[in-house]
Amino acid sequence: QSVLMQPPSVSGAPGQRVTISCTGSNSDIGAGYAVHWYQQLAGTAPKLLIYINNNRPSGVPDRFSASKSGTSANLVISGLQAEDEADYYCQSIGVFGGGTKLTVL
Amino acid sequence: VHLVESGGGLVQPGGSLRLSCAASGFIFDDYAMHWVRQVAGKGLEWVSGISWNNENIAYADSVKGRFTISRDNAKNSLYLQMDSLRPEDTAFYYCVKDAYGSGVEIFDNWGQGILVTVAS
Repeated sequence: QSVLMQPPSVSGAPGQRVTISCTGSNSDIGAGYAVHWYQQLAGTAPKLLIYINNNRPSGVPDRFSASKSGTSANLVISGLQAEDEADYYCQSIGVFGGGTKLTVL
Repeated sequence: VHLVESGGGLVQPGGSLRLSCAASGFIFDDYAMHWVRQVAGKGLEWVSGISWNNENIAYADSVKGRFTISRDNAKNSLYLQMDSLRPEDTAFYYCVKDAYGSGVEIFDNWGQGILVTVAS
């Protein structure tokens, strides 16, 4: 099974922009498989945030965007808000990244 | 969309447990369904998935041969039969709806999760 690598933690001040990376391989992201992103607020179930590389489900603010290139993908959160503090996971072909804890300073 | 898991609890190593998921708010037999688990404080692990028509079923290597996924479209229900349970199967188990009927694995709706504890 493939493994998707994410940084364990990132942080930023309110209003700033943060980027969370997701690094895969030529077996998953690099092979053209789509990347999806999930947000998990403390004590709650995960929620789909971005699907098929850079599409937002209804209700997700446009402060959240994502991109994919080669064997990696990035989630970008612009205009950081306190309520964005959560764990974020990338996923491709049924495999999840290890998760990144976002702290809003 | 509403997904409600049941059947979790404490079981001894080597024992069995059957999780159920009651689905509502969408046309159940149009979509693939999955189970995803999460050890407390850790990351997400996809466990198993089943297509809308039961024709495509897949398991993570960690549970293959021990867990069985099934669905009853007439009852809008998803199941996970867990046999030969191990302490490392201890986790919250989420019932998850796919955005498509088969083969895409976009997890667009999640249940609240249910705890399975394997311990003596």
